[in-house]
Amino acid sequence: KQEVTQIPAALSVPEGENLVLNCSFTDSAIYNLQWFRQDPGKGLTSLLLIQSSQREQTSGRLNASLDKSSGRSTLYIAASQPGDSATYLCAGGRGAAGNKLTFGGGTRVLVKP
Amino acid sequence: DTGVSQNPRHKITKRGQNVTFRCDPISEHNRLYWYRQTLGQGPEFLTYFQNEAQLEKSRLLSDRFSAERPKGSFSTLEIQRTEQGDSAMYLCASSPPFRQGHEQFFGPGTRLTVL
Repeated sequence: KQEVTQIPAALSVPEGENLVLNCSFTDSAIYNLQWFRQDPGKGLTSLLLIQSSQREQTSGRLNASLDKSSGRSTLYIAASQPGDSATYLCAGGRGAAGNKLTFGGGTRVLVKP
Repeated sequence: DTGVSQNPRHKITKRGQNVTFRCDPISEHNRLYWYRQTLGQGPEFLTYFQNEAQLEKSRLLSDRFSAERPKGSFSTLEIQRTEQGDSAMYLCASSPPFRQGHEQFFGPGTRLTVL
């Protein structure tokens, strides 16, 4: 059974600092890993999807890496801005039979101006 | 807007009442998922449809819960005899056919409060 963990549960950084968000998973047979952003009381916005055959994906200031052997994924956000304040969730997809996602508990990020 | 839509956005009900939520996926997405999220936690999988077929249900989905996807388009999630523990955000997601990609796109959610 896949288990996904995100530590820390919350962090605060000054504006302009790079953000490093961690995600660990127990089943290395993960098919893909997806990062999401969630604003308070809202749904999830997909940020990046990494397939198991890939090592990283980039979109603008965001870069996500995947290391299946160590069971880790990292989301980097360069030059953080107050608008980046949100909860970031990672989720592992199993691939077969619908690619059900197993989520971590999220990291709540506050970027201080 | 061609994203996933959910209605209603908020629902307040009394314990013991029945409630129904609706999800409209992105057009041409044949895969549809329901998740439940409680405060401070990540979403948990409830059920999955491929076209009109419900292919998987989580053990979280007690017999008070039923989901349908007639004609493989929109989906409904019904909760009968609601309990206070059902209070949560109910999220719907859709994704394209398997060979076209695996990214899941989420709707805004329906927040249920059971008094």
